[in-house]
Amino acid sequence: QKEVEQNSGPLSVPEGAIASLNCTYSDRGSQSFFWYRQYSGKSPELIMSIYSNGDKEDGRFTAQLNKASQYVSLLIRDSQPSDSATYLCAVNILFFRRALTFGSGTRLQVQP
Amino acid sequence: GAVVSQHPSRVICKSGTSVKIECRSLDFQATTMFWYRQFPKQSLMLMATSNEGSKATYEQGVEKDKFLINHASLTLSTLTVTSAHPEDSSFYICSAREQVSGGPSNEQYFGPGTRLTVT
Repeated sequence: QKEVEQNSGPLSVPEGAIASLNCTYSDRGSQSFFWYRQYSGKSPELIMSIYSNGDKEDGRFTAQLNKASQYVSLLIRDSQPSDSATYLCAVNILFFRRALTFGSGTRLQVQP
Repeated sequence: GAVVSQHPSRVICKSGTSVKIECRSLDFQATTMFWYRQFPKQSLMLMATSNEGSKATYEQGVEKDKFLINHASLTLSTLTVTSAHPEDSSFYICSAREQVSGGPSNEQYFGPGTRLTVT
């Protein structure tokens, strides 16, 4: 079992819709969770971090964390074509001490 | 967010030569930097963790004598690919973790990446 799992996609949504990206992780000791966006040929860009159960909102983005289910998700409201990218879920298993463990990413396509 | 730079952004070198890539944290001090490699359409692969003032920790399967890492200051880490071969052609990305009072931040910020092509 991979430590961090994501559906590779592509996830295709129409412009203006809500895109829902999901991620599961295997280690119950995981402490912190991140979503990165990566455009083709570019490096990842941090979008959201979340540390406790529940929802965290930042503009059009909402991260949701459920530690009991070992599940983290990212919702993108009012999706725009410019949101088309690969979204990487990342988990820090040992707080402060290790690099983030990344999922393989979900490719999102927002259709105009 | 914090800014990380990398230089060069793109490099082409001949097989057998060495290439140095620099990673700098521009507006914060980074106690820890990480080096990743990404092949086309694949996920990020962690190569090594670099701590300022100490030896880098390499991931399994990464040759430490081939990928030399130096983290001489809180704002600079370098990766040298020695005796490069075409199979080393890849996108190399560094990231840095910010040092804040009370301990390092948990967030990692990525540099823009270096595309290496070995001919």
